[in-house]
Amino acid sequence: AQSVTQLDSQVPVFEEAPVELRCNYSSSVSVYLFWYVQYPNQGLQLLLKYLSGSTLVKGINGFEAEFNKSQTSFHLRKPSVHISDTAEYFCAVRRIIQGAQKLVFGQGTRLTINP
Amino acid sequence: DTAVSQTPKYLVTQMGNDKSIKCEQNLGHDTMYWYKQDSKKFLKIMFSYNNKELIINETVPNRFSPKSPDKAHLNLHINSLELGDSAVYFCASSQILHYGYTFGSGTRLTVV
Repeated sequence: AQSVTQLDSQVPVFEEAPVELRCNYSSSVSVYLFWYVQYPNQGLQLLLKYLSGSTLVKGINGFEAEFNKSQTSFHLRKPSVHISDTAEYFCAVRRIIQGAQKLVFGQGTRLTINP
Repeated sequence: DTAVSQTPKYLVTQMGNDKSIKCEQNLGHDTMYWYKQDSKKFLKIMFSYNNKELIINETVPNRFSPKSPDKAHLNLHINSLELGDSAVYFCASSQILHYGYTFGSGTRLTVV
């Protein structure tokens, strides 16, 4: 079954430092992968997605992710973070069950930016 | 205009009560979802409707009953509320899934 594992539950970094949030997926077929961000007391917002084509995907707010088929990974990166990036980040994969599609989310990674 | 709107935003109620959460989307999407986010932030799908038809029904207690009067609305009714039902419930919609979901801002349900 398709699923995702986020390897870090919490990632603290200093402002203006680079960050990488790790996500591994399990699937034997083609995958659609997503990263979402959840700011405190808000809903989830799509950061970026990988459907096919270029393995480097650019998203909003300066984030990017690289799809690596050999390592079954889809890590999220940002070269320089800001205080406003403090949020919960979720990796997700599309899963098809009996013809119905749904997104399956990872456990989330809490990104905390320290001044 | 809010794309996916949920009401109420906060809901505090006693055990045993029955409550409803409403969701509306103005994006013209044909599929809507209910997700539950627990205290550890884990998100799990509960239901999915496509053009008013139930297409996903995960292992959810029978006390939870979704209803979709039209493809722009998806409501969630919960009977006999229990302490363990306390969570944030998110509504979402999509047109073509590989473009992702659009989420509502959530309903924080607290059962006391």
